[in-house]
Amino acid sequence: DAKTTQPNSMESNEEEPVHLPCNHSTISGTDYIHWYRQLPSQGPEYVIHGLTSNVNNRMASLAIAEDRKSSTLILHRATLRDAAVYYCTLNNAGNMLTFGGGTRLMVKP
Amino acid sequence: EAGVAQSPRYKIIEKRQSVAFWCNPISGHATLYWYQQILGQGPKLLIQFQNNGVVDDSQLPKDRFSAERLKGVDSTLKIQPAKLEDSAVYLCASSLYGASSYNEQFFGPGTRLTVL
Repeated sequence: DAKTTQPNSMESNEEEPVHLPCNHSTISGTDYIHWYRQLPSQGPEYVIHGLTSNVNNRMASLAIAEDRKSSTLILHRATLRDAAVYYCTLNNAGNMLTFGGGTRLMVKP
Repeated sequence: EAGVAQSPRYKIIEKRQSVAFWCNPISGHATLYWYQQILGQGPKLLIQFQNNGVVDDSQLPKDRFSAERLKGVDSTLKIQPAKLEDSAVYLCASSLYGASSYNEQFFGPGTRLTVL
């Protein structure tokens, strides 16, 4: 299975942008990059996904490297409610997600 | 739109006992997933159903775990007998379509199982 590597934890100040990195050097050509986040005591929730081009939605932006071996989730203005574990996952043609350990984002007021 | 429902939310059992978890996916969603999430780790897929058929169960410990999705709607996951290492949160998720590269998964709140 294709794997992802993320820092265990990151810290941000409220109202500042946050860049969460992810390495996926063994990604295959048909794998989509999906990001989910998990708030305490909840199931994961979808954030954003992409294949090759950068993507924006109301929650975040996704920047994908040209060689697709890495990506960065960008939260433009972190709020306290964004404190969560963020998972970078690869979605294969069978729509099966392989989760790594994720990055625990802490947001300071 | 109602989300994915799971019950119970919490369960405590002794080792070697049996336990069952129930999941009701979002209405109309073809695909249903069960994940196991051990404390401090990301979720691990146990089984994927499309309608009432199994797509993948390669990571399901079949000597003690079983799952079914009768009529292609709700699903149950059973553990019999439970071991200490089965203590985890069991997450159910659903997605609208079947196997395709893009298909957002919607997760339920999970069932936290503690095996003593």
